[in-house]
Amino acid sequence: AQSVAQPEDQVNVAEGNPLTVKCTYSVSGNPYLFWYVQYPNRGLQFLLKYITGDNLVKGSYGFEAEFNKSQTSFHLKKPSALVSDSALYFCAVRDTGGATNKLIFGTGTLLAVQP
Amino acid sequence: EAGVAQSPRYKIIEKRQSVAFWCNPISGHATLYWYQQILGQGPKLLIQFQNNGVVDDSQLPKDRFSAERLKGVDSTLKIQPAKLEDSAVYLCASSPGDRGTGELFFGEGSRLTVL
Repeated sequence: AQSVAQPEDQVNVAEGNPLTVKCTYSVSGNPYLFWYVQYPNRGLQFLLKYITGDNLVKGSYGFEAEFNKSQTSFHLKKPSALVSDSALYFCAVRDTGGATNKLIFGTGTLLAVQP
Repeated sequence: EAGVAQSPRYKIIEKRQSVAFWCNPISGHATLYWYQQILGQGPKLLIQFQNNGVVDDSQLPKDRFSAERLKGVDSTLKIQPAKLEDSAVYLCASSPGDRGTGELFFGEGSRLTVL
């Protein structure tokens, strides 16, 4: 079965510093990987996805993610964090088995950016 | 382009009462999903529709939860009778096709509190 793991419940970073939010995956076949962000009392907003091709994927709001097949990881990164980046971040993998194509989400990582 | 619409945004009920949530997906999106997000957890799929047919309802507690998408557009999720553990945010999402590699588009969610 497809799954993703987010090993950190919370990541703290100072404004202006680089940030990394970790995600590892377990899939059979080719992985389709996604990152979403959730601000308080809001729905999930799509940031970026990896389907195939370049291992470095660029997304919204200056975020990028690096796909690493050997380490089965898909870490989210940003060179310089903003206070407004503080939110809950979810990694997800698409379940391509059977008739469904649902997204399976990790448990989320709370990013706190201090001014 | 209008996003996914959900209502109500907030609902408080007593246990054993019933509640219904409504979702209007993005125009033209054939696939509609209902996810349950319990505080501190990632979203979990309850049911997936392709047009007005059910693709996956394996994690829907069918003794108390029901969902329909009669005309292949709007959808309603009902809980009857509600339990304390049903307190969660109910997220509706839509996507254009059934086997695509694209992202899901989420609504703002309906927050349910069961007392």
